[in-house]
Amino acid sequence: KAGVTQTPRYLIKTRGQQVTLSCSPISGHRSVSWYQQTPGQGLQFLFEYFSETQRNKGNFPGRFSGRQFSNSRSEMNVSTLELGDSALYLCASSGGDRNIQYFGAGTRLSVL
Amino acid sequence: AQSVTQLDSQVPVFEEAPVELRCNYSSSVSVYLFWYVQYPNQGLQLLLKYLSGSTLVESINGFEAEFNKSQTSFHLRKPSVHISDTAEYFCAVSGHGSSNTGKLIFGQGTTLQVKP
Repeated sequence: KAGVTQTPRYLIKTRGQQVTLSCSPISGHRSVSWYQQTPGQGLQFLFEYFSETQRNKGNFPGRFSGRQFSNSRSEMNVSTLELGDSALYLCASSGGDRNIQYFGAGTRLSVL
Repeated sequence: AQSVTQLDSQVPVFEEAPVELRCNYSSSVSVYLFWYVQYPNQGLQLLLKYLSGSTLVESINGFEAEFNKSQTSFHLRKPSVHISDTAEYFCAVSGHGSSNTGKLIFGQGTTLQVKP
Protein backbone atom coordinates (compact mmCIF):
# COMPACT_ATOMS: atom_id res chain seq x y z
CA LYS A 1 0.00 0.00 0.00
CA ALA A 2 1.50 3.33 -1.00
CA GLY A 3 2.11 5.88 1.74
CA VAL A 4 1.29 9.56 1.83
CA THR A 5 2.73 11.34 -1.20
CA GLN A 6 3.60 15.02 -1.16
CA THR A 7 4.62 17.00 -4.22
CA PRO A 8 6.84 18.75 -4.92
CA ARG A 9 9.55 17.82 -2.44
CA TYR A 10 11.34 21.15 -2.76
CA LEU A 11 10.21 24.62 -3.77
CA ILE A 12 11.94 27.98 -4.01
CA LYS A 13 9.79 31.08 -4.22
CA THR A 14 10.26 34.81 -3.72
CA ARG A 15 8.42 37.10 -1.35
CA GLY A 16 4.97 38.08 -2.52
CA GLN A 17 4.43 35.03 -4.68
CA GLN A 18 1.91 32.30 -3.94
CA VAL A 19 2.45 28.56 -3.78
CA THR A 20 0.34 25.40 -3.92
CA LEU A 21 1.40 22.15 -2.29
CA SER A 22 -0.20 18.79 -2.99
CA CYS A 23 -0.88 15.76 -0.82
CA SER A 24 -2.20 12.34 -1.84
CA PRO A 25 -3.30 10.32 1.19
CA ILE A 26 -3.01 6.60 1.77
CA SER A 27 -5.63 4.78 -0.28
CA GLY A 28 -8.90 4.64 1.63
CA HIS A 29 -8.00 7.46 4.02
CA ARG A 30 -10.46 10.33 4.03
CA SER A 31 -8.83 12.71 6.50
CA VAL A 32 -5.86 14.92 5.64
CA SER A 33 -4.09 17.23 8.09
CA TRP A 34 -1.38 19.78 7.35
CA TYR A 35 1.47 20.91 9.61
CA GLN A 36 4.25 23.46 9.39
CA GLN A 37 7.66 22.57 10.82
CA THR A 38 10.26 25.27 11.53
CA PRO A 39 13.36 25.27 13.77
CA GLY A 40 11.93 28.07 15.90
CA GLN A 41 8.28 27.14 16.26
CA GLY A 42 8.51 23.37 15.85
CA LEU A 43 5.55 21.45 14.48
CA GLN A 44 2.33 23.45 14.26
CA PHE A 45 -1.08 22.31 13.09
CA LEU A 46 -2.49 24.20 10.12
CA PHE A 47 -5.81 22.52 9.31
CA GLU A 48 -7.60 19.23 8.81
CA TYR A 49 -9.94 18.19 6.03
CA PHE A 50 -12.36 15.30 6.15
CA SER A 51 -14.82 14.47 3.37
CA GLU A 52 -13.96 17.71 1.55
CA THR A 53 -14.80 19.87 4.58
CA GLN A 54 -12.41 21.73 6.85
CA ARG A 55 -13.01 20.28 10.30
CA ASN A 56 -10.29 21.97 12.33
CA LYS A 57 -8.04 24.96 11.90
CA GLY A 58 -4.88 26.14 13.66
CA ASN A 59 -3.77 29.67 14.43
CA PHE A 60 -2.42 30.75 11.07
CA PRO A 61 -3.32 33.85 9.04
CA GLY A 62 -5.83 33.69 6.22
CA ARG A 63 -2.98 33.57 3.70
CA PHE A 64 -2.85 29.86 4.46
CA SER A 65 -5.74 27.95 2.94
CA GLY A 66 -6.50 24.47 1.78
CA ARG A 67 -9.01 22.27 0.11
CA GLN A 68 -9.80 18.62 -0.36
CA PHE A 69 -11.12 16.92 -3.44
CA SER A 70 -13.62 14.09 -3.77
CA ASN A 71 -10.77 11.55 -4.13
CA SER A 72 -9.42 12.81 -0.73
CA ARG A 73 -6.36 14.44 -2.29
CA SER A 74 -5.64 17.78 -0.68
CA GLU A 75 -3.90 20.98 -1.63
CA MET A 76 -2.55 23.74 0.54
CA ASN A 77 -2.09 27.26 -0.74
CA VAL A 78 -0.06 30.09 0.72
CA SER A 79 -0.56 33.52 -0.80
CA THR A 80 1.66 36.60 -0.54
CA LEU A 81 4.63 34.61 0.71
CA GLU A 82 6.79 36.01 3.50
CA LEU A 83 10.32 35.04 4.49
CA GLY A 84 8.93 33.47 7.65
CA ASP A 85 6.89 31.00 5.61
CA SER A 86 10.09 29.09 4.84
CA ALA A 87 9.48 25.70 6.41
CA LEU A 88 8.91 22.01 5.93
CA TYR A 89 5.20 21.46 5.26
CA LEU A 90 3.98 18.04 6.27
CA CYS A 91 0.78 16.34 5.30
CA ALA A 92 -0.73 13.44 7.23
CA SER A 93 -3.62 11.14 6.44
CA SER A 94 -5.93 9.13 8.68
CA GLY A 95 -8.31 6.27 8.15
CA GLY A 96 -11.03 5.12 10.53
CA ASP A 97 -9.51 6.90 13.54
CA ARG A 98 -8.71 10.50 12.62
CA ASN A 99 -6.29 10.77 15.53
CA ILE A 100 -3.90 8.16 14.15
CA GLN A 101 -1.99 10.06 11.48
CA TYR A 102 0.55 8.86 8.93
CA PHE A 103 2.87 11.46 7.50
CA GLY A 104 4.37 12.12 4.11
CA ALA A 105 7.98 13.12 3.51
CA GLY A 106 7.06 16.80 3.33
CA THR A 107 7.57 19.73 0.99
CA ARG A 108 10.45 22.02 1.86
CA LEU A 109 9.56 25.58 0.92
CA SER A 110 12.23 28.27 0.79
CA VAL A 111 11.13 31.88 0.41
CA LEU A 112 13.82 34.28 -0.79
CA ALA B 1 -6.43 23.08 25.07
CA GLN B 2 -3.52 20.68 25.10
CA SER B 3 0.21 21.23 25.38
CA VAL B 4 3.26 18.95 25.38
CA THR B 5 6.63 19.44 27.03
CA GLN B 6 9.63 17.36 26.10
CA LEU B 7 12.03 17.92 28.93
CA ASP B 8 15.29 17.30 27.07
CA SER B 9 16.23 18.88 23.76
CA GLN B 10 19.21 16.54 23.29
CA VAL B 11 20.03 13.16 24.80
CA PRO B 12 23.49 11.73 24.08
CA VAL B 13 23.93 8.06 24.89
CA PHE B 14 26.38 5.28 24.09
CA GLU B 15 25.40 2.35 21.93
CA GLU B 16 23.77 -0.54 23.84
CA ALA B 17 22.97 1.72 26.81
CA PRO B 18 19.39 2.28 27.99
CA VAL B 19 17.63 5.56 27.24
CA GLU B 20 14.56 7.46 28.41
CA LEU B 21 13.06 10.41 26.54
CA ARG B 22 10.70 12.36 28.75
CA CYS B 23 7.33 13.78 27.77
CA ASN B 24 4.75 15.54 29.89
CA TYR B 25 1.42 16.82 28.67
CA SER B 26 -1.33 19.13 29.81
CA SER B 27 -4.96 18.75 28.81
CA SER B 28 -8.42 19.60 30.07
CA VAL B 29 -9.89 16.55 28.31
CA SER B 30 -8.95 12.90 27.94
CA VAL B 31 -6.12 12.37 25.49
CA TYR B 32 -4.55 10.10 22.97
CA LEU B 33 -0.74 10.05 23.07
CA PHE B 34 1.84 9.35 20.39
CA TRP B 35 5.55 9.15 19.76
CA TYR B 36 6.87 9.92 16.30
CA VAL B 37 10.43 9.62 14.97
CA GLN B 38 11.96 11.80 12.28
CA TYR B 39 15.15 10.89 10.43
CA PRO B 40 17.05 13.63 8.53
CA ASN B 41 15.22 14.95 5.46
CA GLN B 42 12.24 12.71 6.08
CA GLY B 43 8.72 13.00 7.40
CA LEU B 44 7.45 11.66 10.71
CA GLN B 45 7.06 7.95 11.35
CA LEU B 46 4.57 6.76 13.94
CA LEU B 47 6.53 4.88 16.58
CA LEU B 48 3.79 4.00 19.05
CA LYS B 49 0.46 5.19 20.34
CA TYR B 50 -1.71 5.09 23.44
CA LEU B 51 -5.43 5.24 22.78
CA SER B 52 -6.91 3.29 25.67
CA GLY B 53 -6.46 0.07 27.61
CA SER B 54 -3.05 -1.07 28.77
CA THR B 55 -0.93 1.88 29.86
CA LEU B 56 2.26 0.23 28.56
CA VAL B 57 2.60 0.29 24.79
CA GLU B 58 5.39 -1.19 22.71
CA SER B 59 6.80 -0.73 19.23
CA ILE B 60 8.19 -3.40 16.94
CA ASN B 61 11.75 -2.08 17.25
CA GLY B 62 12.12 -2.33 21.01
CA PHE B 63 10.80 1.04 22.22
CA GLU B 64 8.10 1.24 24.85
CA ALA B 65 6.17 4.04 26.54
CA GLU B 66 4.01 4.13 29.61
CA PHE B 67 0.99 6.37 30.05
CA ASN B 68 0.90 7.75 33.57
CA LYS B 69 -2.30 9.71 34.08
CA SER B 70 -1.52 10.94 37.58
CA GLN B 71 1.83 12.37 36.47
CA THR B 72 0.51 13.36 33.02
CA SER B 73 3.53 11.71 31.42
CA PHE B 74 4.26 9.45 28.48
CA HIS B 75 7.99 8.74 28.64
CA LEU B 76 9.69 6.73 25.90
CA ARG B 77 12.22 4.07 26.84
CA LYS B 78 14.49 1.57 25.17
CA PRO B 79 16.69 -0.87 27.15
CA SER B 80 19.51 -0.95 24.57
CA VAL B 81 19.93 1.59 21.76
CA HIS B 82 21.60 1.18 18.39
CA ILE B 83 23.41 3.67 16.20
CA SER B 84 20.43 3.52 13.84
CA ASP B 85 18.17 4.95 16.58
CA THR B 86 19.86 8.33 16.13
CA ALA B 87 17.02 10.66 15.14
CA GLU B 88 14.65 13.29 16.45
CA TYR B 89 11.73 12.06 18.53
CA PHE B 90 8.46 13.92 18.95
CA CYS B 91 5.80 13.37 21.57
CA ALA B 92 2.29 14.38 20.52
CA VAL B 93 -1.17 14.58 22.04
CA SER B 94 -4.65 14.68 20.60
CA GLY B 95 -7.66 15.43 22.73
CA HIS B 96 -11.01 13.69 22.72
CA GLY B 97 -13.92 15.58 21.19
CA SER B 98 -14.82 16.90 17.77
CA SER B 99 -12.90 20.15 18.21
CA ASN B 100 -9.69 18.20 18.83
CA THR B 101 -10.03 15.27 16.44
CA GLY B 102 -7.46 15.23 13.66
CA LYS B 103 -5.27 17.81 15.37
CA LEU B 104 -1.97 16.73 16.90
CA ILE B 105 -0.14 18.99 19.33
CA PHE B 106 3.59 18.29 19.33
CA GLY B 107 6.39 18.80 21.78
CA GLN B 108 9.55 20.57 20.66
CA GLY B 109 11.36 17.33 19.99
CA THR B 110 14.29 15.46 21.52
CA THR B 111 17.38 14.66 19.49
CA LEU B 112 18.70 11.24 20.41
CA GLN B 113 22.42 10.96 19.61
CA VAL B 114 23.75 7.41 19.87
CA LYS B 115 27.54 7.24 20.05
CA PRO B 116 29.63 4.16 19.24
